[in-house]
Amino acid sequence: AQRVTQPEKLLSVFKGAPVELKCNYSYSGSPELFWYVQYSRQRLQLLLRHISRESIKGFTADLNKGETSFHLKKPFAQEEDSAMYYCALFPGGYNKLIFGAGTRLAVHP
Amino acid sequence: ETGVTQSPTHLIKTRGQQVTLRCSSQSGHNTVSWYQQALGQGPQFIFQYYREEENGRGNFPPRFSGLQFPNYSSELNVNALELDDSALYLCASSLPGASGRAGELFFGEGSRLTVL
Repeated sequence: AQRVTQPEKLLSVFKGAPVELKCNYSYSGSPELFWYVQYSRQRLQLLLRHISRESIKGFTADLNKGETSFHLKKPFAQEEDSAMYYCALFPGGYNKLIFGAGTRLAVHP
Repeated sequence: ETGVTQSPTHLIKTRGQQVTLRCSSQSGHNTVSWYQQALGQGPQFIFQYYREEENGRGNFPPRFSGLQFPNYSSELNVNALELDDSALYLCASSLPGASGRAGELFFGEGSRLTVL
């Protein structure tokens, strides 16, 4: 079965602390994975995709096929990082994404 | 560049009624997909339209149907509404999967449907 699991509904940290948003996936093939973000009163938008291997807004995510994980990390959280984060799997073919349930990141001053 | 726009933003229907939701895709995008997002859940894929034809469908019953028009705008129709259809319906536009930008979706703000 194709599935994305985000085990934490809420992650609460203080400004300057490291952040790791967990994502595990279930997929038999070679996955393409994404992180989408929704800031308050904004639309859902792409944050980063594993294939590009880039850092966006200080966030990085490494695909670990052995652990079937794609955790999102940032060394020093900022208050403006507070948002809802969704991990998503693209299984190929047409543009269907399989989303996790999301993790709300709250960064406190 | 015009982003994805959806209408209406909110609506209330009663069980058994029918609803039509509308979406205008981002300029240059010829593929539109629809997602249902129930409270506390991630978006769930309903279907995708490319060149005015449905070319992919998720696990939704036939009473969920859609259209895509020559200008790439799209409609989502839901017949015989049920209470569980209450959700945020998101439209996303994109380039075709073969473009190398697969999975990069541009979302609208959604239409929130409440079924009473």
